[in-house]
Amino acid sequence: EVQLVESGGGLVQPGGSLRLSCAASGFTFSSYEMNWVRQAPGKGLEWVSYISSSGSTIYYADSVKGRFTISRDNAKNSLYLQMNSLRAEDTAVYYCVVGEETPYWGQGTLVTVSS
Amino acid sequence: DIQMTQSPSSLSASVGDRVTITCRASQGISNYLAWFQQKPGKAPKSLIYAASSLQSGVPSKFSGSGSGTDFTLTISSLQPEDFATYYCQQYNSYPWTFGQGTKVEIK
Repeated sequence: EVQLVESGGGLVQPGGSLRLSCAASGFTFSSYEMNWVRQAPGKGLEWVSYISSSGSTIYYADSVKGRFTISRDNAKNSLYLQMNSLRAEDTAVYYCVVGEETPYWGQGTLVTVSS
Repeated sequence: DIQMTQSPSSLSASVGDRVTITCRASQGISNYLAWFQQKPGKAPKSLIYAASSLQSGVPSKFSGSGSGTDFTLTISSLQPEDFATYYCQQYNSYPWTFGQGTKVEIK
């Protein structure tokens, strides 16, 4: 069974940093592309970042480019999102997602940016 | 970026009703279109991929159609467990983009 478990969310002040993790199991993690998608409270879904299976290709949404860094450790079956210079508008539930035609989503981790 | 426009943004329907939600892409995306259902406090659940293919385990009351720029999701007979928010998403190219959502409420 595919499982994605996000962690690392919490309350952070504007300008601060957080590192999200996503622990994957139930599939060959090193063979799959991964994505982060977020959802602000009461709002719709917004794609954040993509990383290829090897980590050699990375994309970011314009809203986070230059502030967020996606990475992965295939030996640890883990995906990461380093978030710097956080803003109030980054407040959201962050989901890791594997797959395109048959996507699996984690349960999400809440990031709150507030003073 | 490809913009996805969903309509309506909300609708009220009764149990047993047939419901149709539409999604329009700002440029052609072939059939790289997915539909998700989301209930409060839960992660989105995939219903449809490739515009019209049903995910394993999803009941056949859900169906999708369309290609290019215009797509529809139909629920043939609305049941209490179907009241939720529905999103379309294009995965033709990055950045992935989502429709703004359609909230299906009980009349």
